[in-house]
Amino acid sequence: EAGVVQSPRYKIIEKKQPVAFWCNPISGHNTLYWYRQNLGQGPELLIRYENEEAVDDSQLPKDRFSAERLKGVDSTLKIQPAELGDSAVYLCASSWTGQNNSPLHFGNGTRLTVT
Amino acid sequence: QKEVEQNSGPLSVPEGAIASLNCTYSDRGSQSFFWYRQYSGKSPELIMSIYSNGDKEDGRFTAQLNKASQYVSLLIRDSQPSDSATYLCAVIGGSQGNLIFGKGTKLSVKP
Repeated sequence: EAGVVQSPRYKIIEKKQPVAFWCNPISGHNTLYWYRQNLGQGPELLIRYENEEAVDDSQLPKDRFSAERLKGVDSTLKIQPAELGDSAVYLCASSWTGQNNSPLHFGNGTRLTVT
Repeated sequence: QKEVEQNSGPLSVPEGAIASLNCTYSDRGSQSFFWYRQYSGKSPELIMSIYSNGDKEDGRFTAQLNKASQYVSLLIRDSQPSDSATYLCAVIGGSQGNLIFGKGTKLSVKP
């Protein structure tokens, strides 16, 4: 089965510019997650979708971050405007259900550098 | 108090030795526990899951869970240089039941 696909793999932008990341989950996975991983840290959840509904966006900085999951499949995460502190790896993951014993499968991530 | 705590290491062991990785968590109601391996520049990959107290073995890997002590560990027997990576402990917890990661322990296996 094809894995979680993310693009782009790398992105370098200047601060105050907008940026968007795209994720295609594993076919049939109805739960989709966006995590941010800073260097030397574990992934931190930004938002979780069950189908097209954002069921937990409590950790998403809503002043500059937005996300959508149209039709409950692909998802886009946007930052506008980007700040230096947004430099990190943005990971998308998906799972069969939102239940506790369904493992997460991660994409390769997008490494964002804000200069 | 962070919800999932790990010693960041680095933990260095010689090839063939047992590597022991430890993790504690704060949410006493957590029921699901995972170990992910992350190679440098790569994404996390699931290597073990455990849901009940005791040991769970899979090849050279053994996960141990003690809910009373809120403690999870991962043992890697016959460690190989290819096991050198960061190991992330993750726990389903919090009010939303999300997967929460520790900061990871970097393991280095020396030939």
